[in-house]
Amino acid sequence: GAVVSQHPSRVICKSGTSVKIECRSLDFQATTMFWYRQFPKQSLMLMATSNEGSKATYEQGVEKDKFLINHASLTLSTLTVTSAHPEDSSFYICSASSDDYYEQYFGPGTRLTVT
Amino acid sequence: DAKTTQPNSMESNEEEPVHLPCNHSTISGTDYIHWYRQLPSQGPEYVIHGLTSNVNNRMASLAIAEDRKSSTLILHRATLRDAAVYYCPLINAGGTSYGKLTFGQGTILTVHP
Repeated sequence: GAVVSQHPSRVICKSGTSVKIECRSLDFQATTMFWYRQFPKQSLMLMATSNEGSKATYEQGVEKDKFLINHASLTLSTLTVTSAHPEDSSFYICSASSDDYYEQYFGPGTRLTVT
Repeated sequence: DAKTTQPNSMESNEEEPVHLPCNHSTISGTDYIHWYRQLPSQGPEYVIHGLTSNVNNRMASLAIAEDRKSSTLILHRATLRDAAVYYCPLINAGGTSYGKLTFGQGTILTVHP
């Protein structure tokens, strides 16, 4: 299957700072990328959908000014958590798909800890 | 978005078959049934997907009920590496939810040696 990478794999930041997480599709062109958040012992929750070259579509309850998503190319999407707080500590996972939505490929996830 | 329900946990012995059920009674005609599994602190791994007919691949088989309101993931011979949380999200292939995966709580599969 296709490979999706995320960087960094884990990050610790101080409250009030911003953190950027990268999601890359390594061997295919991802027209759509999805960002999920997963709290301990819970399921994945979709945060937003981003299509290359256009603004992201956020799920209800997700603050678009706090979670900035950029999908500038067919292989890269970034999620920036602005003014992070301890409650933003979570496991952030991206997925990518090409024109065929029937398979989505997930990245390995990024563990964010805000102190 | 159509919801899915699964048992919280299941157990199996190594080398035995495992049948993981998923209920999706509100599935629409354009929803594809997907199965993913997730190990701790890792992203989900694609297992299999289908629409109406049963599907087989190297990892597993997917049996879909005739009314499509339920499906079963079949691991023919469980190994210790199959221990994971299994999810059966639906992907909508039409409308405003196009391409979105909605994950339920999943089933924690424990495999005993």
